[in-house]
Amino acid sequence: DGGITQSPKYLFRKEGQNVTLSCEQNLNHDAMYWYRQDPGQGLRLIYYSQIVNDFQKGDIAEGYSVSREKKESFPLTVTSAQKNPTAFYLCASRHASDTQYFGPGTRLTVL
Amino acid sequence: GENVEQHPSTLSVQEGDSAVIKCTYSDSASNYFPWYKQELGKRPQLIIDIRSNVGEKKDQRIAVTLNKTAKHFSLHITETQPEDSAVYFCAALMNRDDKIIFGKGTRLHILP
Repeated sequence: DGGITQSPKYLFRKEGQNVTLSCEQNLNHDAMYWYRQDPGQGLRLIYYSQIVNDFQKGDIAEGYSVSREKKESFPLTVTSAQKNPTAFYLCASRHASDTQYFGPGTRLTVL
Repeated sequence: GENVEQHPSTLSVQEGDSAVIKCTYSDSASNYFPWYKQELGKRPQLIIDIRSNVGEKKDQRIAVTLNKTAKHFSLHITETQPEDSAVYFCAALMNRDDKIIFGKGTRLHILP
């Protein structure tokens, strides 16, 4: 888990503002994932990428965008189209042997 | 669609007793089943996993069993301790999409 970093730890967004959450891994994992977790709830998949320059929508992609220009990095942008973005955002990466590890998370709050 | 069902959603056990959490999955081709523990405000941490070529795996007080025919797997925690209080997620690798699907979680309370 120490090989996956997310920043910032806390983020505040104003109405109509786009914000970008950073996720970096030095584990040489091919696959990376973004999840959203609301209080007391499970993990919902936003986007995932199995290889550089390619990514797929998860279950709740509307209002979010991603890029995968480098193997180590998978940033998530929360756009103004996402009307209720307050949540805990978790990035994860997966090894070819199928073990998936999570980053420490970013807690996003809308002001 | 592909999914993982997890039960119960909440579980309270007396300290020292055993806890069992059960999951079922839909994709018969799934061959990897991890379990994660999430403490309040923290990231989910992998605690144990099992692959379809074995029926049971044990690591100290934690064990996982897998029944591929019935498509269900279970987490067993023996001699529970206060630090076992957390939310536990089961998951299964869906080979069609090569992604891991999570259950909705079980909140485990260890009572003193």
